[in-house]
Amino acid sequence: DVKVTQSSRYLVKRTGEKVFLECVQDMDHENMFWYRQDPGLGLRLIYFSYDVKMKEKGDIPEGYSVSREKKERFSLILESASTNQTSMYLCASSGAANYGYTFGSGTRLTVV
Amino acid sequence: GEDVEQSLFLSVREGDSSVINCTYTDSSSTYLYWYKQEPGAGLQLLTYIFSNMDMKQDQRLTVLLNKKDKHLSLRIADTQTGDSAIYFCAESILPRGKLIFGQGTELSVKP
Repeated sequence: DVKVTQSSRYLVKRTGEKVFLECVQDMDHENMFWYRQDPGLGLRLIYFSYDVKMKEKGDIPEGYSVSREKKERFSLILESASTNQTSMYLCASSGAANYGYTFGSGTRLTVV
Repeated sequence: GEDVEQSLFLSVREGDSSVINCTYTDSSSTYLYWYKQEPGAGLQLLTYIFSNMDMKQDQRLTVLLNKKDKHLSLRIADTQTGDSAIYFCAESILPRGKLIFGQGTELSVKP
């Protein structure tokens, strides 16, 4: 069964900490995406990558960075976590242009 | 610009049909998708339709596409309590198939 795996389901971090959210896919997909999901706001795209070592800003990149050193892994980095980054984070990947996305199970991050 | 809109809530009784509606703006969309998100989980692909089709049926699910009006709907027949979830529609934007998502419709099924 094809999979997108996010390393943690739940995470609690302190304000100011550097936070790494990891996402791994086993489908040899070129494209990977990071979203955050908040009640009433739907899915908002943070960053995406169409190839190894490439990254593009989404709609809300401020306060985040990403790393894609290998094709299968796409990491989201919160340089200095703040309480307004408390959210559900969803990773997705896609291959050919019209087969949609496969999502991970999500990481619920709480920043205290 | 690209935009996808859905109503936020829908409540139905068990056994009734549910119809979730979606409008989109990009006329060049090639595929349109419906995703389901159960509480605390990621999104799972429910079904999709190619833009040159009007209808697609898959067991209890029927997708209708009106390309002229840029309107997409998902009908769930004989809705069950297990269908309670958030449903997202999405359009695929060329050239790379980037998906634009609606805000999601929360379906509540009452016994």
